[in-house]
Amino acid sequence: GAGVSQTPSNKVTEKGKYVELRCDPISGHTALYWYRQSLGQGPEFLIYFQGTGAADDSGLPNDRFFAVRPEGSVSTLKIQRTERGDSAVYLCASSSEPENIQYFGAGTRLSVL
Amino acid sequence: KQEVTQIPAALSVPEGENLVLNCSFTDSAIYNLQWFRQDPGKGLTSLLLIQSSQREQTSGRLNASLDKSSGRSTLYIAASQPGDSATYLCAVTASYGKLTFGQGTILTVHP
Repeated sequence: GAGVSQTPSNKVTEKGKYVELRCDPISGHTALYWYRQSLGQGPEFLIYFQGTGAADDSGLPNDRFFAVRPEGSVSTLKIQRTERGDSAVYLCASSSEPENIQYFGAGTRLSVL
Repeated sequence: KQEVTQIPAALSVPEGENLVLNCSFTDSAIYNLQWFRQDPGKGLTSLLLIQSSQREQTSGRLNASLDKSSGRSTLYIAASQPGDSATYLCAVTASYGKLTFGQGTILTVHP
C-alpha cells in the first residue's frame, strides 16, 4: 500500500485478555517503530526494528509486551494479560535510509475494560 | 534521559494571525528535530525536519528554527487558517531515529 497500515483501528478487550496489534509498513522500509500515546500526551517510544531484529526494545514497559517482525516487513505487537492502564493509541511508523523520515499509521486505539 | 517540553499546551487564535509554538529539550546531543501535525483519529504527519547542523527549515507558511546549544526550537505559522487547527508535536531524534516527543500544543484557529 501507499502508507503505513495498522489493524484493527479499534480494539476493545477485557482486563486479563491477550491482544495482537498489526502494522504493515511502507513497502521497502527497513526500519519500523512502535509508539504508545496516552490521552493528552505525546507518543512514547516502545521498540525499534531494523529488518527482522529488535535493535532497541528499551521502551517496552514490562514483560507483558512483546513485538515481532519475522520477515522484516509486517510487525505484530503482542500484549499479554492486559490491564486498564494499557489503554492508549498504539502507533506504528516506518522509515528508510537515507531519508530517515518516519511515516506513521493512523494507530490502533486499545481500550481495556 | 531526554525530555521535550512544549509551550503553550493550547492556543486559540483568530484566523489570519501569525503565531509561534515553542519546544525545548534537555539534551542537546540530537541528530535532528521534527515538527509533526496530528489530526483527531489520525496518525502523525511530518511537517518539517531540521538536521542538527541546520538553523531553520521553511515549507510554505511554516518556518521552524533550531538553536541546538540552548535546546530550543520554534515553529512559526504565518497567516493562520482554520484548517491549521490540530495538535502540533515536536520531537527530537537519537542517532538511529528513535523519536522523543513533547506533549503537544493544541491549536485552534477560529474564523
